[in-house]
Amino acid sequence: GQNIDQPTEMTATEGAIVQINCTYQTSGFNGLFWYQQHAGEAPTFLSYNVLDGLEEKGRFSSFLSRSKGYSYLLLKELQMKDSASYLCASMDSNYQLIWGAGTKLIIKP
Amino acid sequence: IAGITQAPTSQILAAGRRMTLRCTQDMRHNAMYWYRQDLGLGLRLIHYSNTAGTTGKGEVPDGYSVSRANTDDFPLTLASAVPSQTSVYFCASSATSGDTGELFFGEGSRLTVL
Repeated sequence: GQNIDQPTEMTATEGAIVQINCTYQTSGFNGLFWYQQHAGEAPTFLSYNVLDGLEEKGRFSSFLSRSKGYSYLLLKELQMKDSASYLCASMDSNYQLIWGAGTKLIIKP
Repeated sequence: IAGITQAPTSQILAAGRRMTLRCTQDMRHNAMYWYRQDLGLGLRLIHYSNTAGTTGKGEVPDGYSVSRANTDDFPLTLASAVPSQTSVYFCASSATSGDTGELFFGEGSRLTVL
């Protein structure tokens, strides 16, 4: 079956670094997405990885290992506004997205 | 402002009633989607449309129907609502189906069925 696993909740301190992990098992693979969702709002796109390695975009970076079925989202210099849920999604061979339940990130001062 | 508009934002309705959630986009995207989001679960695809005039079933289509008469509009209808359909519903679009580009989401419609 198809499955996405990510931690339910994480806590980090303002100014620190946090890594949110995601493991996936999908029928075929056409890339791994990360979305950010603030409470009560719509998800918004953060990153897309299809090749192994690290993609850096400002304070946010995303890593993919296809052989391990593993990705992580790295957030640096955490700010209070980064408190949100982070959704991992894998695109299968039919270009359908399989979503994880999301990781709620709590930032403390 | 370009994007996706959903209506209503929130609705409470009695079980057995018919309800249509509206979704309109002005980005001329070909592909549109309806998801439901429930606590502890990932977004689940209800129905999708790859282009105007075509629709397809997603992971959880039972109890829901959609239509795509034109590029911009993609309404979701619950013919006879049941309490298990209490959820937050998100409409989304992408430039094309089979696209590895991003999805754009509406602000969501919170539906409570009593």
